[in-house]
Amino acid sequence: ETGVTQTPRHLVMGMTNKKSLKCEQHLGHNAMYWYKQSAKKPLELMFVYSLEERVENNSVPSRFSPECPNSSHLFLHLHTLQPEDSALYLCASSPAGTGGFNEQFFGPGTRLTVL
Amino acid sequence: GEDVEQSLFLSVREGDSSVINCTYTDSSSTYLYWYKQEPGAGLQLLTYIFSNMDMKQDQRLTVLLNKKDKHLSLRIADTQTGDSAIYFCAVQATGGGNKLTFGTGTQLKVEL
Repeated sequence: ETGVTQTPRHLVMGMTNKKSLKCEQHLGHNAMYWYKQSAKKPLELMFVYSLEERVENNSVPSRFSPECPNSSHLFLHLHTLQPEDSALYLCASSPAGTGGFNEQFFGPGTRLTVL
Repeated sequence: GEDVEQSLFLSVREGDSSVINCTYTDSSSTYLYWYKQEPGAGLQLLTYIFSNMDMKQDQRLTVLLNKKDKHLSLRIADTQTGDSAIYFCAVQATGGGNKLTFGTGTQLKVEL
């Protein structure tokens, strides 16, 4: 596998379910990101991890819980979601940096539907 | 915080030029990026420009930056059907670390 992979690609869950999204990067990067993509809205940054430490949490509801066990893996744990949480969830990675050029590499996303 | 705005849709004929526009609010922006998202895929960096530049050309792509008006544009010459995709403008601000602020994306449709 190369680049950034995400599993599953599609997920349908009820509001009372608990599920997890997985992201893995094979690029040797030290920063990883979760984004939410909804129709007609800006791409929304949810969480940023740098060297396995969470450095940004953009006022995301607690029903979304990220986990970064090492620099290659990132999880998003989901519980008690709402229908408005249905969206495409994108994972990205980049070399850890301090404000220089920051190309982010994206996975294909997980299409989440909450019933 | 930073706001980035784009129109949602653009339709052009094959062979014509496409111009996708973006406006942003933070004048301290350092790097400005254009990403492309094809159906069923994640975003992929298309091109970028540093804030001390006004223009950057890369084959069929021309990026123009007007810092005074905080306006960024992407011109695609000789647009092909394979250019149909969503194009995202993203801005990186000084002091923002690795953080990029993205727009809504512009859906480009290329018609025969």
